[in-house]
Amino acid sequence: KAGVTQTPRYLIKTRGQQVTLSCSPISGHRSVSWYQQTPGQGLQFLFEYFSETQRNKGNFPGRFSGRQFSNSRSEMNVSTLELGDSALYLCASSLAAVDTQYFGPGTRLTVL
Amino acid sequence: KNEVEQSPQNLTAQEGEFITINCSYSVGISALHWLQQHPGGGIVSLFMLSSGKKKHGRLIATINIQEKHSSLHITASHPRDSAVYICAVSGSGGGADGLTFGKGTHLIIQP
Repeated sequence: KAGVTQTPRYLIKTRGQQVTLSCSPISGHRSVSWYQQTPGQGLQFLFEYFSETQRNKGNFPGRFSGRQFSNSRSEMNVSTLELGDSALYLCASSLAAVDTQYFGPGTRLTVL
Repeated sequence: KNEVEQSPQNLTAQEGEFITINCSYSVGISALHWLQQHPGGGIVSLFMLSSGKKKHGRLIATINIQEKHSSLHITASHPRDSAVYICAVSGSGGGADGLTFGKGTHLIIQP
């Protein structure tokens, strides 16, 4: 069974631009969560989707948004990029919300 | 909001030593996760537990719900165990509030 895939793996943007990251979960997994990892703050929860519904969102500004499609694939979007948005963005999928999470390799975003 | 504390932050040990990493949290949870992250970023889930003890190979994870504490043990440590070990908890709200993470333990096993 294929693992969680994320595209692109690396991305360089400039301040003010927007970016869209994609995550394809393990087949059959309906829960997809997104996390941000930075050296200063560590890993932080962004949002979680289950069957196309965003069930909760972490403490991030409205510039961070996401969605989930009917095939469980998910995208997250960051608008008006700031230098502080430079981070590793990880998605994880699971069968249910409280279940073993399988992480993708991450997208490393650099904002210049 | 749950606070997750890990100790130690850094640990260097010799090959073969018994390793213990501790995790404590502040409020009730539905599950606790132990994750392993190697340089380059990839994260692997080692255990998810809500009570008792689990064992996989040389790794053992225990949790004490009353004391809000969990430990990860590595027996007969090996240089390939060198990684960051992260404790994370799923809140009691059915998991929809995502994982709350500890800051991680940087483990180095020297040959």
